[in-house]
Amino acid sequence: DIQMTQSPSSLSASVGDRVTITCQASQHISDYLNWYQQKPGKAPKLLIYDASNLETGVPSRFSGSGSGTDFTFTISSLQPEDIATYYCQQYDNSLTFGGGTKVEIK
Amino acid sequence: QVQLVESGGGLVKPGGSLRLSCAASGFTFSDYYMSWIRQAPGKGLEWVSYISSSGSTIYYADSVKGRFTISRDNAKNSLYLQMNSLRAEDTAVYYCARDSRLPRNWGQGTLVTVSS
Repeated sequence: DIQMTQSPSSLSASVGDRVTITCQASQHISDYLNWYQQKPGKAPKLLIYDASNLETGVPSRFSGSGSGTDFTFTISSLQPEDIATYYCQQYDNSLTFGGGTKVEIK
Repeated sequence: QVQLVESGGGLVKPGGSLRLSCAASGFTFSDYYMSWIRQAPGKGLEWVSYISSSGSTIYYADSVKGRFTISRDNAKNSLYLQMNSLRAEDTAVYYCARDSRLPRNWGQGTLVTVSS
């Protein structure tokens, strides 16, 4: 099974800050990686697919990069509505999610 | 638009059974793989199972293999998850999602609580 190690598990940042989350796969997964945002009591929402493609309707302050085993998710300018938990997810071999990163406002 | 509505959750005793349903609309259900993904209270997301568009290909997470059965009825635009021999660690919100690789659309989830 492919393990996804996501870090940090939580972070606190100010409005306008640049926020970066990393996700490392236990083996090569090419670019078969997605990023989701989940707000309390809601289903996850797809933000980035295939490592770097922005889902339709998602603000451009969200971006993703990486390939192989190391991936990065970035919010270029944190907004109050971005408070949520973010998950990476690989689909090279079934599906595996990272442990999540809870983003809070400082 | 795409809509997925889960039902069938509830409180069940350890060792008991429950059948979840997911009603799909807004897309051609028979064209898509479908998945079940769960989330224990306060925890992260865990893939449970997926089924191919025809139902001929099925995969399960090791944690549920032999206890859970996924199925679908394309004529009824419905996805199912039969859960047997339930354990406390199966307590979670269960989501159905469209696709097995890129779950773009999710239902609102149904809560399954396994407790005596």
